[in-house]
Amino acid sequence: DQQVKQNSPSLSVQEGRISILNCDYTNSMFDYFLWYKKYPAEGPTFLISISSIKDKNEDGRFTVFLNKSAKHLSLHIVPSQPGDSAVYFCAANGGAGNMLTFGGGTRLMVKP
Amino acid sequence: NAGVTQTPKFRILKIGQSMTLQCTQDMNHNYMYWYRQDPGMGLKLIYYSVGAGITDKGEVPNGYNVSRSTTEDFPLRLELAAPSQTSVYFCASSPRLAAYEQYFGPGTRLTVT
Repeated sequence: DQQVKQNSPSLSVQEGRISILNCDYTNSMFDYFLWYKKYPAEGPTFLISISSIKDKNEDGRFTVFLNKSAKHLSLHIVPSQPGDSAVYFCAANGGAGNMLTFGGGTRLMVKP
Repeated sequence: NAGVTQTPKFRILKIGQSMTLQCTQDMNHNYMYWYRQDPGMGLKLIYYSVGAGITDKGEVPNGYNVSRSTTEDFPLRLELAAPSQTSVYFCASSPRLAAYEQYFGPGTRLTVT
């Protein structure tokens, strides 16, 4: 039973446009959410996070939105750049054992 | 700083063989983790450690063992390798338990045939 789901395995966006990556979760105990970015042959790197007491967190071109009633969060990248092409993982914390639960990832391709 | 390092980068094992995946971090983090990532799937936690001498099971511990004799090192042992253990393995560390960002190594790609 996947508690964190990223339903779009891939997304293609033109350079300069907005990229929107989505993530849904089922466990209402989750209270902290993170996005990680992963390039091929490298480990994931932390990108941005949000606490459940907020509905938005912004860091430069990256903004994460949290809709607790819908158990949904999204990552917006504006403007998208070719260097943003990577796999993005959504992760949640606060369930059993206080461990991170990861979604399956979305591969973002930003075309020049 | 090297951060989190993992060796080897790649390995092919025959069914039934054993091996140890090495992980070292130089950030003096107490918390360390081992994950596996299968194609199209998220990272699943195998084992974690909250400090030297203390380890605990994660979501998918069967077929693996760990030890933590020092703060820096957290090796993962595979006994009697099976094809189901074909995966990419990531080691990570964090200054606090799970809730916040974790720092990942580059991964070890393991194939069991």
